[in-house]
Amino acid sequence: EAQVTQNPRYLITVTGKKLTVTCSQNMNHEYMSWYRQDPGLGLRQIYYSMNVEVTDKGDVPEGYKVSRKEKRNFPLILESPSPNQTSLYFCASSPRGGTNTEAFFGQGTRLTVV
Amino acid sequence: GESVGLHLPTLSVQEGDNSIINCAYSNSASDYFIWYKQESGKGPQFIIDIRSNMDKRQGQRVTVLLNKTVKHLSLQIAATQPGDSAVYFCAERYGNKLVFGAGTILRVKS
Repeated sequence: EAQVTQNPRYLITVTGKKLTVTCSQNMNHEYMSWYRQDPGLGLRQIYYSMNVEVTDKGDVPEGYKVSRKEKRNFPLILESPSPNQTSLYFCASSPRGGTNTEAFFGQGTRLTVV
Repeated sequence: GESVGLHLPTLSVQEGDNSIINCAYSNSASDYFIWYKQESGKGPQFIIDIRSNMDKRQGQRVTVLLNKTVKHLSLQIAATQPGDSAVYFCAERYGNKLVFGAGTILRVKS
């Protein structure tokens, strides 16, 4: 089954404790991205990757890092989480970026930073 | 499930009626637009898309209209069903970025 898998689905952590949210897709997609979703604000793009070893900032990259060492994986790293990063996070993938493609989304990761 | 609908506009329709959800997009250089549906506790799901060189596209029970003059996008759902209840997002793509609107809640009354 074609899918985007995020882990964990739920995470509660403390301020300053580094964490990683994993994202994996099994569709051989080149383009992957991370979004955060906050009430009333829709989805805002954090980072995206056009292909292996190619990443770029989205609209709200501060406080986040990503890496793309393999095509299928695109982890989101919070080196020093803060309470304002409490949010619902989605990973997405597409066959190509910047063209007429739909994005496949993961199920989401609910992160709470206390 | 997770609540993403705080303070979002809400459209309530009777089952069987048609629904029209509107979206104003921001960038006149955007060349591709997508509508997504998000049910409670799930990620967004693709519904229909349209290129900027078109003004209308139809799918199964859904139609998207694009008015580039006023930067307006709409999603029409025919014969709305209870399963259509969700938050609906429009998104515009320019360059390599996909920018989402805030969303509209659709509630279907039986």
